Amino acid sequence: KNEVEQSPQNLTAQEGEFITINCSYSVGISALHWLQQHPGGGIVSLFMLSSGKKKHGRLIATINIQEKHSSLHITASHPRDSAVYICAAKTQGGSEKLVFGKGTKLTVNP
Amino acid sequence: EPEVTQTPSHQVTQMGQEVILRCVPISNHLYFYWYRQILGQKVEFLVSFYNNEISEKSEIFDDQFSVERPDGSNFTLKIRSTKLEDSAMYFCASSLQPNTEAFFGQGTRLTVV
Repeated sequence: KNEVEQSPQNLTAQEGEFITINCSYSVGISALHWLQQHPGGGIVSLFMLSSGKKKHGRLIATINIQEKHSSLHITASHPRDSAVYICAAKTQGGSEKLVFGKGTKLTVNP
Repeated sequence: EPEVTQTPSHQVTQMGQEVILRCVPISNHLYFYWYRQILGQKVEFLVSFYNNEISEKSEIFDDQFSVERPDGSNFTLKIRSTKLEDSAMYFCASSLQPNTEAFFGQGTRLTVV
């Protein structure tokens, strides 16, 4: 059974700070997703990656397959980045489902 | 930009009643999913659907649940006899292939009273 763990659970930062959110998983995966959930509840896909690193604007996602670990970084954080960030893993072996972490609640203060 | 749309955004229903949650996936996508999130908990997989049949389902997806693609655009989740514990946010998602990015709708908040 694939377990997806995130840390920290809650994170408060000052505007402009560099943010790192971590995700680890217990079994081999075919892909890892980073998602953003706003207070209204809607989920937005940020990245899907299976190796290396991806960058979109101020967001960077990395994954280390051997260590079963991924990180989401936010550079020059802004109050509008405040949201819950969730990692979700798709297990190897043909399963189509995503297994979600509990999420990291990020609050960026002005 | 194409998006997954869900209706209604909020549904309140009496215990024991049937509800149908509706989703319009992205038009060229082939794989469709339902997930749910009970308040304060993780998002959980319910079911995946491809080629007009269920391809995978979780233990949560018991006989009270069913999914259907009644026409070329809608994808529905029916809960036959709702229970209090069915209260949750239900998310629809779609992807072009199983190993491509999944796009999520804004969710339907179901409240069973």
